[in-house]
Amino acid sequence: DVKVTQSSRYLVKRTGEKVFLECVQDMDHENMFWYRQDPGLGLRLIYFSYDVKMKEKGDIPEGYSVSREKKERFSLILESASTNQTSMYLCASSLPTGGFPYEQYFGPGTRLTVT
Amino acid sequence: SQQGEEDPQALSIQEGENATMNCSYKTSINNLQWYRQNSGRGLVHLILIRSNEREKHSGRLRVTLDTSKKSSSLLITASRAADTASYFCATALIQGAQKLVFGQGTRLTINP
Repeated sequence: DVKVTQSSRYLVKRTGEKVFLECVQDMDHENMFWYRQDPGLGLRLIYFSYDVKMKEKGDIPEGYSVSREKKERFSLILESASTNQTSMYLCASSLPTGGFPYEQYFGPGTRLTVT
Repeated sequence: SQQGEEDPQALSIQEGENATMNCSYKTSINNLQWYRQNSGRGLVHLILIRSNEREKHSGRLRVTLDTSKKSSSLLITASRAADTASYFCATALIQGAQKLVFGQGTRLTINP
């Protein structure tokens, strides 16, 4: 069965801390994505990756970085957490199609609170 | 504004009734997908319809796509309490590479 896991369901961090959110998929998918979800704004793409060591900026990359050292793992890094980064963070993965995107598989989400 | 916008933002119906949600978008797409999200959880893919398709069925779900109006609808027939969730449309843009653009979602509540 397809599985995307995220390291924490809930996380509370202080302003200025460096925060790591981990995502692991067991489907051998090339594509991985990080979204944040906020009420009234839907899902917004932060970063995505087509392959190991490759990354592309999404719509809202400011304040975030990512790392993909292994195919199955995609990490989101908040270099210096701020209160406006309090949000639900969702990781997803998908097969490459050589063209247009198809089904994405999502993890359960990490609800991050920055105080 | 958003590429995909769902309407209504919230919908409350009685169990057994049909629920219809709509999605409008602005630019040309390759495909449109619908996802469900139970409260506080990740999204689950429901159905994908390609730009050259007009209608698609999956169990109690029926999706239509009208590319001339840049709109799609999701119909859930004979609703159940377990259908209570948020529903999102996501568009795969012609110029969007491997990305999906999600709408803001419709919150559906099924009352027993």
